[in-house]
Amino acid sequence: DTGVSQDPRHKITKRGQNVTFRCDPISEHNRLYWYRQTLGQGPEFLTYFQNEAQLEKSRLLSDRFSAERPKGSFSTLEIQRTEQGDSAMYLCASFGQGKTEAFFGQGTRLTVV
Amino acid sequence: KNEVEQSPQNLTAQEGEFITINCSYSVGISALHWLQQHPGGGIVSLFMLSSGKKKHGRLIATINIQEKHSSLHITASHPRDSAVYICAVVMYTGNQFYFGTGTSLTVIP
Repeated sequence: DTGVSQDPRHKITKRGQNVTFRCDPISEHNRLYWYRQTLGQGPEFLTYFQNEAQLEKSRLLSDRFSAERPKGSFSTLEIQRTEQGDSAMYLCASFGQGKTEAFFGQGTRLTVV
Repeated sequence: KNEVEQSPQNLTAQEGEFITINCSYSVGISALHWLQQHPGGGIVSLFMLSSGKKKHGRLIATINIQEKHSSLHITASHPRDSAVYICAVVMYTGNQFYFGTGTSLTVIP
C-alpha cells in the first residue's frame, strides 16, 4: 500500500498526558498537512509542511501542540498536557509538487479521558 | 463565515433515488475536491475538479467556476453510499484546503 498512513489509528489517554502521532505521506510528496476534525464538523487546518519546513500554522495550534517533519518524509504531531477538548480525529494529507490532488490518511482518533 | 458552504447538511434517501449535494465557495480556487468519509473512517478523495464535469461509476461531479458552485450527484443510490460527503477547495496559493462541514447521507434499503 503506497497511500498515506497514520499511526496509531486510535489513542485513549488520560488528561494531562502527552501523545504523539505519526504520518507517513506518499514517498514522493513534498507537501504534508495536519487537520483536526471534531464530530459533525469538517476538518480544520492545523499546520503545513513543504519538505522539512513548517510553512504555516493555524491559530488552533496552541503552545501545547508541536509538529515536525525532520527529514522531509514522515511527520509527527505531539500534544502535550492533553485536555478533553483535544479529543478529535487528527488527519494527515499529502500533495505532490505542483499538484492539487491530495491523499488522506485514515486518521488518528484521540480520546482524552 | 465559512469559505465553503454545503447543502443539505443531512440527507436521507430511498435506495435507487438520484441524489444531489451542493457546494458553494467564496474564494478563488485552483481546484475543488469531493471527499467521502465513512463513519469512523478516513477520508477518500472521490473527485478533483478545476472545470467542467467528471464521472466515475454512479458518481458525477460538476463545477461552475464563474458561479463558484459545484454539485455531486449519485445516480441509483445504494445503502453503501451512506457516508459523509465533504467539499474542499484549494486556494490559488495552493497552500490550504478549505473544507465544508459535510453532508451526511443515509440511503435506506
